[in-house]
Amino acid sequence: DIVMTQSPDSLAVSLGERATISCKSSQSLLYSSNNHNYLAWYQQKPGQPPKLLIYWASTRESGVPDRFSGSGSGTDFTLTINSLQAEDVAVYYCQQCYGLPYTFGQGTNLEIK
Amino acid sequence: EVQLVESGGELVQPGGSLRLSCAASGFTFSTYNMGWVRRTPARGLEWVAYIKLDGSGKYYVDSVKGRFTISRDNAKNSLYLQMNSLRAEDTAVYHCVRLSGWGRFDAWGQGTLVTASS
Repeated sequence: DIVMTQSPDSLAVSLGERATISCKSSQSLLYSSNNHNYLAWYQQKPGQPPKLLIYWASTRESGVPDRFSGSGSGTDFTLTINSLQAEDVAVYYCQQCYGLPYTFGQGTNLEIK
Repeated sequence: EVQLVESGGELVQPGGSLRLSCAASGFTFSTYNMGWVRRTPARGLEWVAYIKLDGSGKYYVDSVKGRFTISRDNAKNSLYLQMNSLRAEDTAVYHCVRLSGWGRFDAWGQGTLVTASS
């Protein structure tokens, strides 16, 4: 199974500042035939189900604000939230969709400092 | 608006059975692969199973193989999860999910709580 490891486990950032979350996979998520990385990011706010933010490592889902961005390739990925807003308080998960079983990172709890 | 509404979760004794249901609306159900993801405070998110759009393929995480069965009824826009021989470690909130592209979950239900405890 592909192991997904996020860091940090929790993060406190001031409003208006940048938040950065790392995700590492135990094997490459790059599918060579189409040059896509099969890595997705989700946001889970309190009392709500997870919501897809980013797929293919860097493509924003429709309706997601452009302050959210994803980067990386192979085994190392980053979710960046620019100009942090109060409504961004949530747990963020990465997920590999390269192969079965699909696996998630352990989650990063983002709070306001 | 895409909606996924789960039902069927409850308290059950270890070794017991439950059937979860998911009612889908707001999209053409028969054109999407569908699945289940569970969530616990201790283990976070865990993919459980998915079924291809026409039911021709079913895939499971190892920990539930032989105990859980995923199925769908495209005429009723419904997804199901039959859970047998439940264990304490199956205790979780179970989310119905829609799969888009290759394995990403682009729609989630609110979830239904399954508790396996004596």
